[in-house]
Amino acid sequence: NAGVTQTPKFRVLKTGQSMTLLCAQDMNHEYMYWYRQDPGMGLRLIHYSVGEGTTAKGEVPDGYNVSRLKKQNFLLGLESAAPSQTSVYFCASSPVAGMTQYFGPGTRLLVL
Amino acid sequence: DQQVKQNSPSLSVQEGRISILNCDYTNSMFDYFLWYKKYPAEGPTFLISISSIKDKNEDGRFTVFLNKSAKHLSLHIVPSQPGDSAVYFCAARNTGGFKTIFGAGTRLFVKA
Repeated sequence: NAGVTQTPKFRVLKTGQSMTLLCAQDMNHEYMYWYRQDPGMGLRLIHYSVGEGTTAKGEVPDGYNVSRLKKQNFLLGLESAAPSQTSVYFCASSPVAGMTQYFGPGTRLLVL
Repeated sequence: DQQVKQNSPSLSVQEGRISILNCDYTNSMFDYFLWYKKYPAEGPTFLISISSIKDKNEDGRFTVFLNKSAKHLSLHIVPSQPGDSAVYFCAARNTGGFKTIFGAGTRLFVKA
């Protein structure tokens, strides 16, 4: 039982490049979330999903897209990376909306 | 506008003493509150929660107090241990909502 896993762990991008962050959970949770963590800002919700095939915008969705084609996977895409997207990205899942979330180990992204 | 505020960026406590971490919120529609703990290079992990119908919840060394009239909650750790040194995030959920709003976090240092 791996819980929530994220790939990659670390990535360096140049401005304008694209990439996809992968999140996978093996707990059969309906709800999945993508957050970014920046110094002094806590965790801010980028996008979330309430079930397979659904996605919705969070607090800071601009510049990101997501897809939930399979219940266990939640993908976060950056189409054209910007230095302001340098951050640590966390994926989380939960069995019930807004209740205890289980987080992955994070992806550290540096955009030059 | 930060709906969940943790006004102390850091706190230092002697081993064996009590640690008190504070959190204020502005949205009266929040009905469920959570505390997460985060070690460096790891994802946050759930610590303890409280529903808005209660004013106290206890789990071993950890107790969360909720004062709805003051829109304030606090996490007490007694006795504090060096292994408790981490960043603690306060979080809150809207009634019937899917999203959780996180505070900026408080870094706790427990000195041996």
